[in-house]
Amino acid sequence: KQEVTQIPAALSVPEGENLVLNCSFTDSAIYNLQWFRQDPGKGLTSLLLIQSSQREQTSGRLNASLDKSSGRSTLYIAASQPGDSATYLCASDTGRRALTFGSGTRLQVQP
Amino acid sequence: DAMVIQNPRYQVTQFGKPVTLSCSQTLNHNVMYWYQQKSSQAPKLLFHYYDKDFNNEADTPDNFQSRRPNTSFCFLDIRSPGLGDAAMYLCATSRDSTYEQYFGPGTRLTVT
Repeated sequence: KQEVTQIPAALSVPEGENLVLNCSFTDSAIYNLQWFRQDPGKGLTSLLLIQSSQREQTSGRLNASLDKSSGRSTLYIAASQPGDSATYLCASDTGRRALTFGSGTRLQVQP
Repeated sequence: DAMVIQNPRYQVTQFGKPVTLSCSQTLNHNVMYWYQQKSSQAPKLLFHYYDKDFNNEADTPDNFQSRRPNTSFCFLDIRSPGLGDAAMYLCATSRDSTYEQYFGPGTRLTVT
């Protein structure tokens, strides 16, 4: 059974810093890995999807990497802004049509 | 804009009183999912429809049922809500099972 872990659980940084969020998974036989953002009390917003054959995806200030062999993915946020404050969730798809989510990293960017 | 819509956004029900949550999509995706997310926890898949085929997760309580009358709509029925069923319920869709999932804004269910 796939298990997804996110470290750290919470992170506070000053505005302008570059930061890395970590995601690890136990079953490397994944179809894809998806990163989401969740604002308090709201639904999930998809940020990036990395297919199993890809190593990374980029969207604006966000870059996500995938290393299946080590069971890891990272989300890199460049030049963080207060508006980036949210919970970031990663989720893996092992082809069972079910996403397995990590518990998320709660990010606070201080102005 | 194509999107996933959930109604209502907030639902209050009494202990044991049946409740139905609604999800609709304009993306014409063939897969629709229902997730339960309790406070400060990861979303947990309850079940999904692949076209008309219903797929229940092994640990989803029998208290939870779902209906998909057509491609656009999917309903979550909770037959006898307990206090432990208070959560955010998230609907998602995808074009196929290995493609990106798009989530609705969620329905927050309170059980009194």
